[in-house]
Amino acid sequence: EIQLQESGPGLVKPSQSLSLTCSVTGYTITSGYDWSWIRKFPGNKMEWMGYISNSGSTNYNPSLKIRISITRDTSKNQFFLQLNSVTTEDTATYYCARSYYDGYSPFDYWGQGVMVTVSS
Amino acid sequence: DIQMTQSPASLSASLGETVTIECRASEDIYSNLAWYQQKPGNSPQLLIYDANSLADGVPSRFSGSGSGTQYSLKINSLQSEDVASYFCQQYNNYPWTFGGGTKLELK
Repeated sequence: EIQLQESGPGLVKPSQSLSLTCSVTGYTITSGYDWSWIRKFPGNKMEWMGYISNSGSTNYNPSLKIRISITRDTSKNQFFLQLNSVTTEDTATYYCARSYYDGYSPFDYWGQGVMVTVSS
Repeated sequence: DIQMTQSPASLSASLGETVTIECRASEDIYSNLAWYQQKPGNSPQLLIYDANSLADGVPSRFSGSGSGTQYSLKINSLQSEDVASYFCQQYNNYPWTFGGGTKLELK
């Protein structure tokens, strides 16, 4: 069974960096899928943040491009989100999810999500 | 970015009723549209992909339709377990974008 699990601090101070980990079990992240970060804001707006592909290339939402970095550790079957210079506007529930690598596919597996609050 | 306008934002319906949720894209997305269900405290679950294809394990009372810029999700014979939030997502153009969501409650 494929499972994705987010982890990371639930509280981050403004201007600092937010760092999250997505641990994947039941599927190898180097095989045929793109691995995304998505966030859901209070009030329910959802935003796709970016992905790292099975080959290690990245694609970011232009709205975040100067602040975001998605990397991976293939030996641990994990991928990571780093979001720099956070503000209270980055308070959200963060999800990792996968989609087929062709770029025209939905998210078929999601993690449970981790709530992150940006506050001093 | 492609804007996805979803309506209604909230919906109250009775058991056994048929409900429809709409999603309008700001440009043609060529049926590259998914619908998700999210129950409180849970992660989103894929219901429909490619506008009208049922995801694995999804009950047949769910159906999707539409083309171009207009899409809809229909739930026939509403069940209590269908109480959830629903949202659409386009994957035709980067950045992928979502509708604002519809909260479905029982009347």
